[in-house]
Amino acid sequence: KQEVTQIPAALSVPEGENLVLNCSFTDSAIYNLQWFRQDPGKGLTSLLLIQSSQREQTSGRLNASLDKSSGRSTLYIAASQPGDSATYLCAGYNNNDMRFGAGTRLTVKP
Amino acid sequence: DTGVSQDPRHKITKRGQNVTFRCDPISEHNRLYWYRQTLGQGPEFLTYFQNEAQLEKSRLLSDRFSAERPKGSFSTLEIQRTEQGDSAMYLCASSLDLAGGEQFFGPGTRLTVL
Repeated sequence: KQEVTQIPAALSVPEGENLVLNCSFTDSAIYNLQWFRQDPGKGLTSLLLIQSSQREQTSGRLNASLDKSSGRSTLYIAASQPGDSATYLCAGYNNNDMRFGAGTRLTVKP
Repeated sequence: DTGVSQDPRHKITKRGQNVTFRCDPISEHNRLYWYRQTLGQGPEFLTYFQNEAQLEKSRLLSDRFSAERPKGSFSTLEIQRTEQGDSAMYLCASSLDLAGGEQFFGPGTRLTVL
């Protein structure tokens, strides 16, 4: 059974900093790993999807990497802005079942 | 707006009542998923449809829960005899018809059981 862990649970940084969010998973036989953003009381917004055959994906200031052998993924956010404040969730997809971590709550202070 | 929509956005009910939620996926998406999310946790998988066929059900989906997707388009999730522990955000997602396809989520329905 896939288990997904995200560290840290919360992170507070000043505006402009580069930061890394971590995600680890126990079952390396994943089809893909997806990163989401969730604002309070809202649904999830897809940020990046990394297929199992890929190593990384980039979108704007975001870069996500995937290392299946070590069971890890990272989300790198460059030049953070207050508007990046949200909870970031990673999820691994196995056998029609997507397992989520509990998320990292990010606060970017102006 | 061509994203995933859910209705209602909020539902308050008394314990023991039945509730039904609706999800309209992105039109060309054949796969539809239901998740439940409690405060401070990530979403938990409940069930999954490919077209009208319900292909996967989590053990979280007790016999009080039932989901349908009768024509392979919109889906409904019904909870019978609601309990306070059912209070959560219920999220729907859809994807193209391929394993591991990117999932797009709706805004969710927040259920409060008094």
